This record gives sequence, structure tokens and C-alpha cells, in this order.
Amino acid sequence: NAGVTQTPKFQVLKTGQSMTLQCAQDMNHNSMYWYRQDPGMGLRLIYYSASEGTTDKGEVPNGYNVSRLNKREFSLRLESAAPSQTSVYFCASSVGPELTQYFGPGTRLLVL
Amino acid sequence: GESVGLHLPTLSVQEGDNSIINCAYSNSASDYFIWYKQESGKGPQFIIDIRSNMDKRQGQRVTVLLNKTVKHLSLQIAATQPGDSAVYFCAENSKKSSGDKLTFGTGTRLAVRP
Repeated sequence: NAGVTQTPKFQVLKTGQSMTLQCAQDMNHNSMYWYRQDPGMGLRLIYYSASEGTTDKGEVPNGYNVSRLNKREFSLRLESAAPSQTSVYFCASSVGPELTQYFGPGTRLLVL
Repeated sequence: GESVGLHLPTLSVQEGDNSIINCAYSNSASDYFIWYKQESGKGPQFIIDIRSNMDKRQGQRVTVLLNKTVKHLSLQIAATQPGDSAVYFCAENSKKSSGDKLTFGTGTRLAVRP
């Protein structure tokens, strides 16, 4: 099993450009999450999907949208990137919302 | 507000010694706690977890202790090795009206001296 995979690994964007970060898990987990990680701060939840067909806002949802494409895939979209969105983005999944989350390798995003 | 924090931002230990990483939490309703290890350039990796009905749990070379009275969590690593060098996060499952949420601490960097 690959676990949680993310693409791309690195991305550089100009302000105003859009992009979609992809995440997939092969563990048959119900819940999936998107976090951002900034220096000196803990992981902050952007959006999550407790189960297929549902999505909810987390702590820092502004500027992002998500799609739970199917049980395996959960994508994060930046419609108009801003320098404040420069960060490392992690996708995670869990069997259920109250259980251990398993993380992907991350996407490093730089917005100029 | 609700928060998960760590007492020490960095910890330097001699190879072979035991390491203790501490974490304070503020939500007395939290019922599940997890320790993650994050190596440079990688995603957080699950190490060990503990539920609030326990006060100790052991894994391979790691032990997690939970003191609910003072809302304190610790991770003990026995015979620390160079491969243990990483940032360690604690996380708590916060019971909120909107559902269960994991709240993460900012992390402690463990540096192992040869």
C-alpha cells in the first residue's frame, strides 16, 4: 500500500494563478483532511471530509476550495493564489474522524 | 482558548540516553492523544497514541504517559538513536460541537548528539 500520496511535490506560482493539489489514499479510509504547515506554527486544518460526499471548513478555509472526488481522492484548489498561501500542504486520512490520521509527504508551494 | 503546546522547543540528547518530550493540553474534554514524528522534508508519521482511560502506553522504545490531573502528556524514547532526530508533535482529539478535531502542538525538535 502506498498510503497517502500527494502531487505535486513542489510548485511555484505567481500571485493570481490557480492550481489544484491532489491527494489520494489506498487505505479505504472514510475521512480525509487538508492542512497547512507554517514555520513556528502547528498544523492548521483547512478543510476536511468526514466521509465521501461531505466537506466542511476547518480553521483556515479562506482562499481554498475542496472536492471529495470519491472515497480515495480529496483535492484542494487555490483559485487565485496569494503570497500568504506560501506553505507546506499536507493531506491526511483516517478511518473515522475520531481516529488516528495518516499523512502524505506534503506539497511545498511558493507563491511569488 | 483550547490549545496544545510543548514546554521545550528544542531538546538535545546524547546518543544512547533516554529522551523525554513534554506536552501540555488545555481541553479537559479531550479523550484521545497522539504523538507524531516529522523528519525534515517529510510528512508527520504516527508514533503512538493513548486514550484518556489510560495513563501509560508502551510501544517499541517509546512510552507515552498521560496525566489528566495536570493535563500533561509526555513521550519517552529509550536509548535515543540518530534516526530519532526529528520534530515531535503531540495532538489531542478535541471534542467540539462541530465534531471531533485533532489539534496539533507546534512541535519539539529532538537533536541527537553522536
